[in-house]
Amino acid sequence: AQSVTQLGSHVSVSEGALVLLRCNYSSSVPPYLFWYVQYPNQGLQLLLKYTSAATLVKGINGFEAEFKKSETSFHLTKPSAHMSDAAEYFCAVSRWSGGSNYKLTFGKGTLLTVNP
Amino acid sequence: GAGVSQSPSNKVTEKGKDVELRCDPISGHTALYWYRQSLGQGLEFLIYFQGNSAPDKSGLPSDRFSAERTGGSVSTLTIQRTQQEDSAVYLCASSLRGVTEAFFGQGTRLTVV
Repeated sequence: AQSVTQLGSHVSVSEGALVLLRCNYSSSVPPYLFWYVQYPNQGLQLLLKYTSAATLVKGINGFEAEFKKSETSFHLTKPSAHMSDAAEYFCAVSRWSGGSNYKLTFGKGTLLTVNP
Repeated sequence: GAGVSQSPSNKVTEKGKDVELRCDPISGHTALYWYRQSLGQGLEFLIYFQGNSAPDKSGLPSDRFSAERTGGSVSTLTIQRTQQEDSAVYLCASSLRGVTEAFFGQGTRLTVV
């Protein structure tokens, strides 16, 4: 069963516009949630993480995400897009997999294009 | 080490040959993941190691794929009798027990010709 769903494989915004990348998770217990970014020809790096503290999480480069348990969502936002934000973004959930083990599962990714 | 190290960074192999990809995780990280990233396909989970537990091999696409992790540290992903559809970037990541964020290596780009 899919643990993480990213709505929209490709999102295009104008420079200066709001960025909204959607992520929904399926879990019966509050999970640990992450957003990663992958710039062209680079590896994945962590943008931000939710670990059951504040529901609004701030990350690097002006991004933030809000954990909404009632909606099982963890959408990523940025008020004003920059050209340098063009990249692929992955939502991930860490879920208990038995004993003291947790397993990280990724969504399929959303490619963000920023138009001048 | 300071980060997750993968080698080689690029590998070109002939169809039918075997290849080994290496991952050296961050020291002390007990969880290690292998993913495959093909063009337009996102991150495909392959295998997950957590401490001394039996690995989760549920993502391995065929019995040509195998992986081991020696001494709870270095991991090797082996692909036997490579096929052209195996061409992809193979990513390794490690984390502390799995509950915390994972740190990724730069990947190995495998091209099967």
